[in-house]
Amino acid sequence: NAGVTQTPKFQVLKTGQSMTLQCAQDMNHEYMSWYRQDPGMGLRLIHYSVGAGITDQGEVPNGYNVSRSTTEDFPLRLLSAAPSQTSVYFCASRPPGRVYSYEQYFGPGTRLTVT
Amino acid sequence: TQLLEQSPQFLSIQEGENLTVYCNSSSVFSSLQWYRQEPGEGPVLLVTVVTGGEVKKLKRLTFQFGDARKDSSLHITAAQPGDTGLYLCAGPSFIQGAQKLVFGQGTRLTINP
Repeated sequence: NAGVTQTPKFQVLKTGQSMTLQCAQDMNHEYMSWYRQDPGMGLRLIHYSVGAGITDQGEVPNGYNVSRSTTEDFPLRLLSAAPSQTSVYFCASRPPGRVYSYEQYFGPGTRLTVT
Repeated sequence: TQLLEQSPQFLSIQEGENLTVYCNSSSVFSSLQWYRQEPGEGPVLLVTVVTGGEVKKLKRLTFQFGDARKDSSLHITAAQPGDTGLYLCAGPSFIQGAQKLVFGQGTRLTINP
């Protein structure tokens, strides 16, 4: 099993450009989420999904869109990139149930720089 | 507002020394998790503590959940360079009506040979 995979590993965008960060998991996990990690801020939840067709906002959703058409894939879209979105982005998945009951599996991250 | 405060934010010690890092909150948590993150990788779960006063050991790492379930600590005995990394605590919190996992800002640990 590959676990959680993310592409690309690195990306540089100009302000105003759009892009999609890809995330896929092969563990048949229903719950998937996107976090951003900034120095001194820990991990902050952007959006999450409890299953195909169901998404919801986390702590910092502004500027990001998500969709979940399959169990395996959970792409994150930046419609108009801003320098404030420079960060490292992590996708995670876990089985359904109470949030503390199961380990979250994280992907390797995408390092995004917006100039 | 950060619900989980970790201290210290940075710690650099020599191989063989002992250390403790802390995760504190003014709120009660039903459980806390500890993750370790190495450079260029995503966090990996080390342990989950669910009962007040609980102590769990993972080789040279000892995790404790406070009696009041507002804090947790990670103690490393005889630290080794392989322990270097970012240590994150995380706990469930209700955000916009749903239970989600919130993270502390992390403790960046460097063990010097």
